[in-house]
Amino acid sequence: DTEVTQTPKHLVMGMTNKKSLKCEQHMGHRAMYWYKQKAKKPPELMFVYSYEKLSINESVPSRFSPECPNSSLLNLHLHALQPEDSALYLCASSQEWVRGSSYNSPLHFGNGTRLTVT
Amino acid sequence: QKEVEQNSGPLSVPEGAIASLNCTYSDRVSQSFFWYRQYSGKSPELIMSIYSNGDKEDGRFTAQLNKASQYVSLLIRDSQPSDSATYLCAVARPTGGGNKLTFGTGTQLKVEL
Repeated sequence: DTEVTQTPKHLVMGMTNKKSLKCEQHMGHRAMYWYKQKAKKPPELMFVYSYEKLSINESVPSRFSPECPNSSLLNLHLHALQPEDSALYLCASSQEWVRGSSYNSPLHFGNGTRLTVT
Repeated sequence: QKEVEQNSGPLSVPEGAIASLNCTYSDRVSQSFFWYRQYSGKSPELIMSIYSNGDKEDGRFTAQLNKASQYVSLLIRDSQPSDSATYLCAVARPTGGGNKLTFGTGTQLKVEL
C-alpha cells in the first residue's frame, strides 16, 4: 500500500469544467511534487513545493493551479483543460534536500489520477 | 543529448536469467540515482537508490554506479515473469528546494516463461 494517497483514481471532465486533484501524505515529508505522465513516456515534472512554498514551476500553463494548504496536503486545481491534457497525474513526496548534503532522498509516488478531458 | 538515456527495449530474457538494464546521464553535478519499476497503468515504485560508486545489492537486485563514466545499471538475478515491467532510471541533483528528478524514457523488460 502506498503512503501517498491520491483522489480521485479516475476523473473525466469537459473542457469547461473546474475540478481538483488531491494528494495526502503522512510520511513527514516536506517536499511534494506533481508529475504528468503520458502513455509510454516518462513522468514529467510540473511543480515542486518545499516547506509549503512553491519552489519549482516547470513553465506549466496557468490552467493548472497548484496549492499546498499544509505539509501533508497538495492539490492541483484544473480549469479549461484541453483534450491533450489527458494523462496520468502523479503526486509524490520526499524528504527535503539538506543544503550541503551529498544525497537526495527518493520520491515516493501515489497511485495517480487518470484524467480524461473530453 | 538527452539528460538521462536508456534503451527503450523491449528487453526479453528467459525466466531465471539475469536481466541487465543500463542508463547514462549527462549532468556531472548529479549526485543521487534511482531505479523505479512501473507496471502498465500503475505509478512508479522505488526499487533502488544508489549514491556512491560501486555496487549496492538488495535481494535479487543489484545497482551499479560509475560516476566517472556517468553510467548506472540495474541487474535483476533469477528474473521472474512478475518482473516484467518498465524500469525507469532517475537522476537527481541539488536544487534550491525539493529534489528535482530527471527520468529516462524507461526500458521495457519482458521475462518469458
